[in-house]
Amino acid sequence: AQSVTQLGSHVSVSEGALVLLRCNYSSSVPPYLFWYVQYPNQGLQLLLKYTTGATLVKGINGFEAEFKKSETSFHLTKPSAHMSDAAEYFCAVSDRNSGYSTLTFGKGTMLLVSP
Amino acid sequence: EPEVTQTPSHQVTQMGQEVILRCVPISNHLYFYWYRQILGQKVEFLVSFYNNEISEKSEIFDDQFSVERPDGSNFTLKIRSTKLEDSAMYFCASRAGGDLSYNEQFFGPGTRLTVL
Repeated sequence: AQSVTQLGSHVSVSEGALVLLRCNYSSSVPPYLFWYVQYPNQGLQLLLKYTTGATLVKGINGFEAEFKKSETSFHLTKPSAHMSDAAEYFCAVSDRNSGYSTLTFGKGTMLLVSP
Repeated sequence: EPEVTQTPSHQVTQMGQEVILRCVPISNHLYFYWYRQILGQKVEFLVSFYNNEISEKSEIFDDQFSVERPDGSNFTLKIRSTKLEDSAMYFCASRAGGDLSYNEQFFGPGTRLTVL
């Protein structure tokens, strides 16, 4: 069975600082990997995904993530935080062999951005 | 831009009552999902639905739960006799089809269910 671990339920950064949100997965075969963001009172929005090919993937709003198979990680980064980045971020995986593509989520990390 | 909608945004019910949570997926999508998130816990998969039948379900999705696509546009989750532990945020999602590497799941804003 797959599992996802997000280190830190809350991460606080100052505006302009580097954002690093950690995600590690446990799976016998490297899965598809996703980061979703949830703004208050809104649904989950896909930030980026890794399926195959280049291990550094770029997403919306200046975020990127790197798949590291040896570390079973898919950490999310952004060079310079903006106040509008304050939200909850979820890492998720999907089994490559699953026909229906069910997502397994981490517990989420709340990103707090201070002026 | 097309989006998944869910109603109501918040539902309060008494233990033992039936509730129906409603979702309108994106119109040309073929795969439909329900997930839930108990406060402070991770988002958990409940069920997936394709071609008018359940395709996968989790251990959470017991006989108290059912899903239906009654009219080709709505996708509903029914809980027959709610329990206190059913209190959670319920998310609906839909996907166009094909391999997930080409088609993301689009999520609705969620329905917060509170069971008293």
